Amino acid sequence: DARVTQTPRHKVTEMGQEVTMRCQPILGHNTVFWYRQTMMQGLELLAYFRNRAPLDDSGMPKDRFSAEMPDATLATLKIQPSEPRDSAVYFCASGFSGGTNTEAFFGQGTRLTVV
Amino acid sequence: AQSVTQLGSHVSVSEGALVLLRCNYSSSVPPYLFWYVQYPNQGLQLLLKYTSAATLVKGINGFEAEFKKSETSFHLTKPSAHMSDAAEYFCAVSFGGYNKLIFGAGTRLAVHP
Repeated sequence: DARVTQTPRHKVTEMGQEVTMRCQPILGHNTVFWYRQTMMQGLELLAYFRNRAPLDDSGMPKDRFSAEMPDATLATLKIQPSEPRDSAVYFCASGFSGGTNTEAFFGQGTRLTVV
Repeated sequence: AQSVTQLGSHVSVSEGALVLLRCNYSSSVPPYLFWYVQYPNQGLQLLLKYTSAATLVKGINGFEAEFKKSETSFHLTKPSAHMSDAAEYFCAVSFGGYNKLIFGAGTRLAVHP
């Protein structure tokens, strides 16, 4: 059963600490997305990659957030330093874009709490 | 610019009643449209999608949606609500050859006995 795997599922950290969230996309998918979900803002697209190259990270605060794909099986989202306002659920999703648009498949999310 | 508007942040229906969740989109190019469902503490699961084939799209769990270009709408319906349908539902749009999904604010569906 192919699925997007995110780790950790939950993370509590103190303000100022570095946080790294990991995502394993579905094998064969060439597009990876990072979304953030909060009560106030809903689902926001932070960044996405195609064939491991960043296509759009305009939704991401550049001063503290960074997203990378070291290889095709791993995507990371890092926050340094973390702040209480970063508390949210972060979702990774993957899809395949080969000329025909398809849906994105979501992971279970990482619930981040910054205290 | 592409956008999605979901009318009604909360909808409540009785078990067995019709479910209607509204979604209107804005897109300067032919859109691809999606409905996702999110259960508590879970990720988003695809219910159905429209990708320029049949305008009436059938999805999982008895849901369906109809693409109406003249009304720029993609409303989600289910003839008879079940208690297990209680969840949050998101409409999303993408465009061109990309998967980038733009989501609406979501509609929380409550089903009462």
